Amino acid sequence: QAQLLESGPGLVKPSQTLSLICTVSGGSISGAGYYWTWIRQHPGKGPEWIGYIFSSGSVYYNPSLQSRLSISVDTSKNNFSLKLSSVTVADTAVYYCARGRKSYFGGCRYDMWGQGTLVTVSS
Amino acid sequence: EIVLAQSPGTLSLSPGERATLSCRASESVSASYLAWYQQKPGQAPRLLVYDSSTRAAGIPDRFSGSGSGTDYALTISRLEPEDFAVYYCQQYGDSPDTFGQGTKLEIK
Repeated sequence: QAQLLESGPGLVKPSQTLSLICTVSGGSISGAGYYWTWIRQHPGKGPEWIGYIFSSGSVYYNPSLQSRLSISVDTSKNNFSLKLSSVTVADTAVYYCARGRKSYFGGCRYDMWGQGTLVTVSS
Repeated sequence: EIVLAQSPGTLSLSPGERATLSCRASESVSASYLAWYQQKPGQAPRLLVYDSSTRAAGIPDRFSGSGSGTDYALTISRLEPEDFAVYYCQQYGDSPDTFGQGTKLEIK
C-alpha cells in the first residue's frame, strides 16, 4: 500500500519561494501511470488543485498559479516537489500531495493523499 | 473554470437517518467526471465516489452517488456516527480540476 508524506518548511517569508517535497513509499513513482499532484486547502475552504506531474515529466498547472509554479519529479529518489515563488499571505494553507488516477480524457480523481503540511507565509 | 456549488452548507441529522448532499456545477461536467470526498478534522480528504456513481475501494455501500450534467448528489442511506464530517465534490472533466466549498454533516 503506497503512502505519501510531505516535508518542508512550515514558515516562509513573503516574496520568498515555498518548497515542498512529497516522498512516495510502498510503490514506485514511475509505475502504473499515476499523476503526482499538489493540492492546497485554505482554512475553512474547499481544496484547490495546484498541479500535477507524470513520471515522464509532463506537467499540468493551475492557470491561476502557473506563473509562479514549478513541479518536478525525481524518480531515483521516488519523490516529487513543489516550488511556488513570490509567496504572499494568501498562500498560507495546508498543502497536500496526492496520487491522481487520470480519467480517459479529463483530469484526475485523487485516491491517496499525504497527511498534509501547514505552510504559513509571514515575516 | 467550472464552479461547484454545494448545498446545504450545514446538514444536521441523527445517526440512522438518510443524508442527501447536493453539488451543482456552473456548466455541464464532461462525462460525469464528478467525485465526492469525506474530510474529518485534521485529516486529508478521502475519496468516496468517482465517475459520479462508482464507489472507491473499501467504501461502504451506504454511500451512493448519482447525477449527470450539472446536478449531482451523494446519498448516505443510514448515517453511522463516523459519517459526521465535511464532504466535498470535485469535477475533473475540464481543466483545472475544481472542488466545491463543502457541506458539513453534523450530529443533531
